Amino acid sequence: AQTVTQSQPEMSVQEAETVTLSCTYDTSESNYYLFWYKQPPSRQMILVIRQEAYKQQNATENRFSVNFQKAAKSFSLKISDSQLGDTAMYFCAFRNSGYALNFGKGTSLLVTP
Amino acid sequence: EPEVTQTPSHQVTQMGQEVILRCVPISNHLYFYWYRQILGQKVEFLVSFYNNEISEKSEIFDDQFSVERPDGSNFTLKIRSTKLEDSAMYFCASSEPRDRALNNEQFFGPGTRLTVL
Repeated sequence: AQTVTQSQPEMSVQEAETVTLSCTYDTSESNYYLFWYKQPPSRQMILVIRQEAYKQQNATENRFSVNFQKAAKSFSLKISDSQLGDTAMYFCAFRNSGYALNFGKGTSLLVTP
Repeated sequence: EPEVTQTPSHQVTQMGQEVILRCVPISNHLYFYWYRQILGQKVEFLVSFYNNEISEKSEIFDDQFSVERPDGSNFTLKIRSTKLEDSAMYFCASSEPRDRALNNEQFFGPGTRLTVL
């Protein structure tokens, strides 16, 4: 069974600073995909960034980037130049050959002025 | 921008009653999903649906659960006889009709909070 672990239930960062959210996963599969989803307060989850396991290059989307360490089964999310609108719950998720997304428990990020 | 919508936003029911949670996926999407999140726990996959049939389900999705696409727009989750432990936030999601592309983005609705008393 695949598991996804987010070890930081809560984090806070000051506006304009950089923060890294950690995620580890466990799988015996070689081909899979990893995702970070963001859920702002009272809003739906939206995809922030995705990474294919076969790609060595770390994915980047504007201020969001990942540090994908396949051997260590680690997939952390870095948010640069944090903005107040980044305040949200962040979920790491894993998907292999099936349809299901396997989620971690989430990290609640608070960006303060 | 098109969004997945869900109704109602909050449903309160008595134990043993049937509930139907409704979702309107994004119009050109063909893959549909239900997830749930019990308070304080992680989001869990329930079921995926494609071409009018279940394509994958988790062990949570037992005989008490069923899904249906009754018309061209709605996607429903029915819980036949609710239990206290069914209290959770239920999320619907949909994704584009690329052939099971594993990196397909799943677009999520805002959720329905189900409270079973």
